[in-house]
Amino acid sequence: AIRMTQSPSSFSASTGDRVTITCRANQSISSYLAWYQQKPGKAPKLLIYAASTLQSGVPTRFSGSGSGTDFTLTINCLQSEDFATYYCQQYYSDPPLTFGGGTKVEVK
Amino acid sequence: EVQLVESGGGLVQPGGSLRLSCAASGFTFSGYSLSWVRQAPGKGLEWVSYISSSSGTIYYTDSVKGRFTISRDSDRNSLYLQMNSLRDEDSAVYYCARSRAYSGSYLDAFDIWGQGTVVTVSS
Repeated sequence: AIRMTQSPSSFSASTGDRVTITCRANQSISSYLAWYQQKPGKAPKLLIYAASTLQSGVPTRFSGSGSGTDFTLTINCLQSEDFATYYCQQYYSDPPLTFGGGTKVEVK
Repeated sequence: EVQLVESGGGLVQPGGSLRLSCAASGFTFSGYSLSWVRQAPGKGLEWVSYISSSSGTIYYTDSVKGRFTISRDSDRNSLYLQMNSLRDEDSAVYYCARSRAYSGSYLDAFDIWGQGTVVTVSS
């Protein structure tokens, strides 16, 4: 199975900050990567797919980049509603689909 | 409104069985692949099982093979997960999730998620 490693696992930030979350695959996954946001007690929400394509309705302050093994999710001008846990997911290979361990963005 | 609504969770003893359902609305159910994804308390997301739009392709994660069965009914616009021989480690919130592309494959992101149903395996 392809292993997805996110870093950091958590960090603190303030509204207005620009934040970056990293996701690394243990083998190349081309651009078959998605990012999700999850708030406590809620289902995940798709933010980005194909590494850099913004899902319809998602604010443009979210962006994704990368290919191969290294990927980033960037949030420009962090808003109060962005404090949440973020997961990357690869969908490159035969089963299983795998997720990163998550990155929790907390209020500083 | 495009929506997935899970049901069927509950408390079950180890070795027991449970059947989860996921009712879909607001989209052409027969055109989309679906999966079950679970999340143990305080843990991350784990993909469990996939079924293609035609039911012709089915996958399971290794830990549930031989114990769980995924199925779908296009007449009822519903997805199911039959869970047998349940273990403590199967305790989680179970989400149904839609693959993003119409007539797409397993290799896709999940664009629609249900609210989840809680499964607790405990004696």
